[in-house]
Amino acid sequence: DGGITQSPKYLFRKEGQNVTLSCEQNLNHDAMYWYRQDPGQGLRLIYYSQIVNDFQKGDIAEGYSVSREKKESFPLTVTSAQKNPTAFYLCASATKAGGYNEQFFGPGTRLTVL
Amino acid sequence: RKEVEQDPGPFNVPEGATVAFNCTYSNSASQSFFWYRQDCRKEPKLLMSVYSSGNEDGRFTAQLNRASQYISLLIRDSKLSDSATYLCVVNPNSGYSTLTFGKGTMLLVSP
Repeated sequence: DGGITQSPKYLFRKEGQNVTLSCEQNLNHDAMYWYRQDPGQGLRLIYYSQIVNDFQKGDIAEGYSVSREKKESFPLTVTSAQKNPTAFYLCASATKAGGYNEQFFGPGTRLTVL
Repeated sequence: RKEVEQDPGPFNVPEGATVAFNCTYSNSASQSFFWYRQDCRKEPKLLMSVYSSGNEDGRFTAQLNRASQYISLLIRDSKLSDSATYLCVVNPNSGYSTLTFGKGTMLLVSP
């Protein structure tokens, strides 16, 4: 089955630790995205990538880093510099042919900082 | 003015009711519009795309009013399974690859 997978589903981290969230897609989509969702808030864009080895900052990139070494993979690292990392993190992908408009989401990772 | 604005609700309706949500957007140059559905603690899923004046998919009808800069979603014959948060999403730039998400409108359908 084609789709987007994220792991882990739940993640607990101590303050001061870096943590990496996985996102993989087998849809052959060109673009991939990372969003953060806080309770009662809309999705906010962290980083996005339209092609391999290239990525752009979104609205809230501070304290996060990404890589895009393969078309299928777009991992997100939450660093200790991120002040309020507890949130629901969603990865999405889209096709260039579709104008990148219709985004398909993975099931998300819930990160809690203890 | 917020880029994409929605009434957070909740909208409480009985099964079988018709319910409508509105969404306003601030950028008059916006080209593409979408409604996503998000169940509690789940990922958003694309419900409908709105590329022209509107479109219909079964019990769901989406309409776009460019002059007034709003999009609407109409749900007829509501089902219990329609209970969810509905996100209004806008592509604010022609050909640009990032989307702007509204905070969502919560719908609760009761027996």
